[in-house]
Amino acid sequence: DTGVSQDPRHKITKRGQNVTFRCDPISEHNRLYWYRQTLGQGPEFLTYFQNEAQLEKSRLLSDRFSAERPKGSFSTLEIQRTEQGDSAMYLCASSLSPGGVNQPQHFGDGTRLSIL
Amino acid sequence: GEDVEQSLFLSVREGDSSVINCTYTDSSSTYLYWYKQEPGAGLQLLTYIFSNMDMKQDQRLTVLLNKKDKHLSLRIADTQTGDSAIYFCAERGLNTGFQKLVFGTGTRLLVSP
Repeated sequence: DTGVSQDPRHKITKRGQNVTFRCDPISEHNRLYWYRQTLGQGPEFLTYFQNEAQLEKSRLLSDRFSAERPKGSFSTLEIQRTEQGDSAMYLCASSLSPGGVNQPQHFGDGTRLSIL
Repeated sequence: GEDVEQSLFLSVREGDSSVINCTYTDSSSTYLYWYKQEPGAGLQLLTYIFSNMDMKQDQRLTVLLNKKDKHLSLRIADTQTGDSAIYFCAERGLNTGFQKLVFGTGTRLLVSP
């Protein structure tokens, strides 16, 4: 069990640029979640996948955000035309849900995005 | 929407017990969690409790749940300097779609030698 892996750990970019983050969940975890954490706050839910299907999206996920999990394994989160307000830590989590029973979510170390 | 609240800060001396409190509004909560976050890192799952339980003990950690008052606490026995971190309470329930976690703003625990 290698844990949830996120890449990159830090990303600095200029306003208006596109960025993409990657998350590799714990092997065989069928559910994958994205959260956003701003300074001094708890994480806020963005979206989640069961296998390759994106089942829920938060209102926080504007049209500039898109997430994919093409083969039900790793996931990517893309932000287009970044804005200052996108600066945050983006956290990925995964869980196993055998027979629909939810197991706890395990988090990666996050990608810290800074918009100049 | 549903809300989770925590006090912002707690300071204790090494060897003392720490008690971190959390209140929540979701009457449909099924699971409640405690996560620990160290600087620059992600969240580490410490423990969790199912809503039909009122207590869970795991080594130095004791979780108490008062479902009537929607109050959750985490007691850390024999607190060490390595326990200094931010502790997040989170809940999951039917009212929040059952999949996503709703987090509090975190309690910063400072343990002094």
